[in-house]
Amino acid sequence: EPEVTQTPSHQVTQMGQEVILRCVPISNHLYFYWYRQILGQKVEFLVSFYNNEISEKSEIFDDQFSVERPDGSNFTLKIRSTKLEDSAMYFCASSQQTGREIEQFFGPGTRLTVL
Amino acid sequence: GESVGLHLPTLSVQEGDNSIINCAYSNSASDYFIWYKQESGKGPQFIIDIRSNMDKRQGQRVTVLLNKTVKHLSLQIAATQPGDSAVYFCAENRNSGYALNFGKGTSLLVTP
Repeated sequence: EPEVTQTPSHQVTQMGQEVILRCVPISNHLYFYWYRQILGQKVEFLVSFYNNEISEKSEIFDDQFSVERPDGSNFTLKIRSTKLEDSAMYFCASSQQTGREIEQFFGPGTRLTVL
Repeated sequence: GESVGLHLPTLSVQEGDNSIINCAYSNSASDYFIWYKQESGKGPQFIIDIRSNMDKRQGQRVTVLLNKTVKHLSLQIAATQPGDSAVYFCAENRNSGYALNFGKGTSLLVTP
């Protein structure tokens, strides 16, 4: 069964450093998303991406964040200058463009720890 | 502000019993309501969704009920199994896009 994959599974970084989280969405999906989950809290939407551009973003997704689809398979989330409060589990998700866009398939997540 | 939230943070049931997980929402403009399951160390997994113009939808061993009058959503799991132990999230989708707004989650523990 096809699945969303994410790397790395755990990323530790120093405050102020840039990090890039990587995702490989399901191959025939056209919508891509990033969510995050701070420990013990609910999953929060960050951004959605379609047709090589951002289609929606939340208030969390400020100028420190950016997304990119550098090639035909990868989808990345970059945090330019990490803050302590960016520590969270980051989930990538993807969905089809067949009227089932809300059925989003999530990856296993990358745990980001900012020290 | 608008939110999706859960009535009970934890629920313990015996194997074979039925489970009911509840969720309240406040945004009347939501188009879809969705239930996700999250097992330890994994990402959320889609279970079932219901459109706002429906009040009941059934899947395999799961039923979702939507009561728009009181803005309440529930997930019923029949004959609960140990593999159902997980955190369950309700989520809403606003019809302006596909972003999901998740609730806080209910932990379901199935005991033998």
